[in-house]
Amino acid sequence: DVVMTQTPVSLSVSLGGQTSISCRSSQSLVHSDGNTYLYWYLQKPGQSPQLLIYKVSNRFSGVPDRFSGSGSGTDFTLKISRVEPEDLGVYYCYQGTHYRTFGGGTKLELK
Amino acid sequence: EVQLVESGGGLVQPGASLKLSCVASGFTFSDYWMSWVRQTPGKTMEWIGDIKYDGSYTNYAPSLKNRFTISRDNAKSTLYLQMSNVRSEDTATYYCTTTADWGQGVMVTVSS
Repeated sequence: DVVMTQTPVSLSVSLGGQTSISCRSSQSLVHSDGNTYLYWYLQKPGQSPQLLIYKVSNRFSGVPDRFSGSGSGTDFTLKISRVEPEDLGVYYCYQGTHYRTFGGGTKLELK
Repeated sequence: EVQLVESGGGLVQPGASLKLSCVASGFTFSDYWMSWVRQTPGKTMEWIGDIKYDGSYTNYAPSLKNRFTISRDNAKSTLYLQMSNVRSEDTATYYCTTTADWGQGVMVTVSS
């Protein structure tokens, strides 16, 4: 199984600030078709996960440009700038290259 | 608007079977691969499996493939998850998802 390791487990940020979350996979997420199937989700309290980023760096429809994804191979990062109250919740990375696995989650809280 | 509505959850005894459903609307269901994902009470997310848009192929998490079966009825725009010989560790909220869109989830509690 591909293990997805997210750090940190929790994060405190000030409104308007910037932060980043790391996700590391136990093996390369480059698929044989050349794509890298790494996604980022946000789960707000009491809600289902919502897709933010697909295939490493592509923002899903309606996702503000304050969210950006980067990385390659086994190391990936989600950056959030100008943090707003609606950004709070738990962030998960997810790989779809080798079966599918989720990271353990990063809880974003207000400082 | 895409909607995915799961149903069929509840309290079930260990060793029993349960079938979850997910009714889709707002998109052409038969064009999409679909997945089931579950979230434990401790908030761990676990992928269960996928099914190809025409139902001809399924893919499962190795630890679950002997007990869980995914199927679909494209005429009814409905996805199914058949769970058998359930265990306490199957207690979770179960979601159907297109990867982009998710249902609201349905809770399954396995307890005697």
